[in-house]
Amino acid sequence: GGIITQTPKFLIGQEGQKLTLKCQQNFNHDTMYWYRQDSGKGLRLIYYSITENDLQKGDLSEGYDASREKKSSFSLTVTSAQKNEMAVFLCASSQTGNPNERLFFGHGTKLSVL
Amino acid sequence: QQKVQQSPESLIVPEGAMTSLNCTFSDSASQYFAWYRQHSGKAPKALMSIFSNGEKEEGRFTIHLNKASLHFSLHIRDSQPSDSALYLCAVTGMGYKLTFGTGTSLLVDP
Repeated sequence: GGIITQTPKFLIGQEGQKLTLKCQQNFNHDTMYWYRQDSGKGLRLIYYSITENDLQKGDLSEGYDASREKKSSFSLTVTSAQKNEMAVFLCASSQTGNPNERLFFGHGTKLSVL
Repeated sequence: QQKVQQSPESLIVPEGAMTSLNCTFSDSASQYFAWYRQHSGKAPKALMSIFSNGEKEEGRFTIHLNKASLHFSLHIRDSQPSDSALYLCAVTGMGYKLTFGTGTSLLVDP
């Protein structure tokens, strides 16, 4: 088995601030994902990466940057935090990136912007 | 763009009851259908998936898929308090992309 570790668990930021969320996986999976979870809106894909140094935009990429520094890690940057924004950011991985295979998720980073 | 809707938004059932959760999708060419479960404050975990029309059973959980009516469902037999969670359906459609529904929050009352 493996695990996905997201840091930090909670993140409080100021309006306009650049904020970085980190994700590590030890499954040795090729593909990693960042999703945003808002109450009543399900999971929306922000960015994904099929392999090291690859980046693909999801449906919600505006306002975010991502970086796949190595196979095991994938970070997400909120380029300018929006006032009163509150959401959970979930990192996930899958073995090959085939959309018909199961995703493994981390516990999430809960973001609050003052 | 694929639209995936879940109903109901929330549900309370007594312990031991049958629970039925619904998911509709818009892309008739969709090819993969899955349910994920997320306990409060925890990571979503894959429950079950199905590719073709019909039914698939695993323990107390059953998926029904009807592609013609753009509908699939999850049924939980003998619901337990530990089943209380957010249930997310997910569909792979055109563009070979996985899209999640908005979720159904289930509370099983002991």
